[in-house]
Amino acid sequence: DQQVKQNSPSLSVQEGRISILNCDYTNSMFDYFLWYKKYPAEGPTFLISISSIKDKNEDGRFTVFLNKSAKHLSLHIVPSQPGDSAVYFCAASEWANTGTASKLTFGTGTRLQVTL
Amino acid sequence: ETGVTQTPRHLVMGMTNKKSLKCEQHLGHNAMYWYKQSAKKPLELMFVYSLEERVENNSVPSRFSPECPNSSHLFLHLHTLQPEDSALYLCASSQELGILKGYEQYFGPGTRLTVT
Repeated sequence: DQQVKQNSPSLSVQEGRISILNCDYTNSMFDYFLWYKKYPAEGPTFLISISSIKDKNEDGRFTVFLNKSAKHLSLHIVPSQPGDSAVYFCAASEWANTGTASKLTFGTGTRLQVTL
Repeated sequence: ETGVTQTPRHLVMGMTNKKSLKCEQHLGHNAMYWYKQSAKKPLELMFVYSLEERVENNSVPSRFSPECPNSSHLFLHLHTLQPEDSALYLCASSQELGILKGYEQYFGPGTRLTVT
């Protein structure tokens, strides 16, 4: 059973407009969420994260919103640029994990295409 | 070299072969991970090493054998694989800070494995 779901496999947005990528989770123990971006032939790169004590985190053109009651988070990219075209992965983790290393649960990804 | 490197980038092997994937991180991190990414599936965590000790093994078949000789190097030894093991194998590292967990994992570019 997938605990982190990205229900839109792809999204196309015009340059300059807002891109909104969505992610839902089922595990109520998740309390830290991350977005990764992946270009072809490269590994995922960390983009932005949010702790469950916040409902919004902003970094330049990227903003992540968290709705804990709905178990939903979204990534907003404003304005979208052609270089943003990539696959975006949502990931989640539990703060109270046992052990010493962080364990991330990933979604299947959303392919964003920013068109001219 | 910077970041996380993986070799080889592509590997084709028969079901009776033995091969090894190599990962090296140049970030001074103390935790390393192996992930498997199959088509249209989320990244699946295979193994976690923290301070060179294996702390996680997500029910991975014994035909996959990890080795972490030091905090900078991680290997995945492959033996008598099946065609369904064909996938992208990603290595990642992070800095574990005790109770202040380092959730941000840094990924290598991956090894595209094809089992014939």
